Amino acid sequence: QSVLTQPPSLSAAPGQKVTISCSGSSSNIENFRVSWYQHLPRTAPKLLIYENNQRPSGIPDRFSGSKSGTSATLGITGLQTGDEADYYCGTWDTSLSAWVFGGGTKLTVL
Amino acid sequence: QLQLQESGPGLVKPSETLSLTCIVSGGSISGSTYYWDWIRQPPGKGLEWIGSVYYSGSTYYNPSLKSRVTISVDTSNNQFSLKLSSVTATDTAAYYCARHRDPYGDYDYWGRGTLVTVSS
Repeated sequence: QSVLTQPPSLSAAPGQKVTISCSGSSSNIENFRVSWYQHLPRTAPKLLIYENNQRPSGIPDRFSGSKSGTSATLGITGLQTGDEADYYCGTWDTSLSAWVFGGGTKLTVL
Repeated sequence: QLQLQESGPGLVKPSETLSLTCIVSGGSISGSTYYWDWIRQPPGKGLEWIGSVYYSGSTYYNPSLKSRVTISVDTSNNQFSLKLSSVTATDTAAYYCARHRDPYGDYDYWGRGTLVTVSS
């Protein structure tokens, strides 16, 4: 059971928009920066969003992040088949004294 | 461009020690605020943080694994290592090394991961 709760799976059509939620608590999301990662099988996970809503260089503006209270959200617009992947949120948890990840959301673009 | 590459045995026997090394190229493992981490993903499950090491040798471990984990750094060879003792089948996972921009920040570079199976 992950400390951060994400929907296990989502699906949407190409060109559509999807939002992936990440629910936590005051010991993690509310007081620490959230980052999001895209993971394709047998590849290195890729940083999509850092510091709640910042995009690294090279990440298209179709990807966005936000945070409010104990929850964070990753938004993806103009879905492409290449966006099919697992998406993880992550942050520090002060109660556990550990970095924690969400359980991951498998995004299907069909 | 920074690159991280995990290396080590793909098969470890139960009760033995899992040992992996992450070779860092395209940048120095020393200096600044970067931490160097190990993260794992059991088959069909999510990501689990194992621990961090700073170039000075300071370490931070996941409390759930702390009694069995040792992470060390070798600045002269620009690499860091993971040792996980007394492994069982539940330690079977893809193991990733990654750069942590600060203790509470994000992971900006990752290795491709290496699958370690614990089996006799």
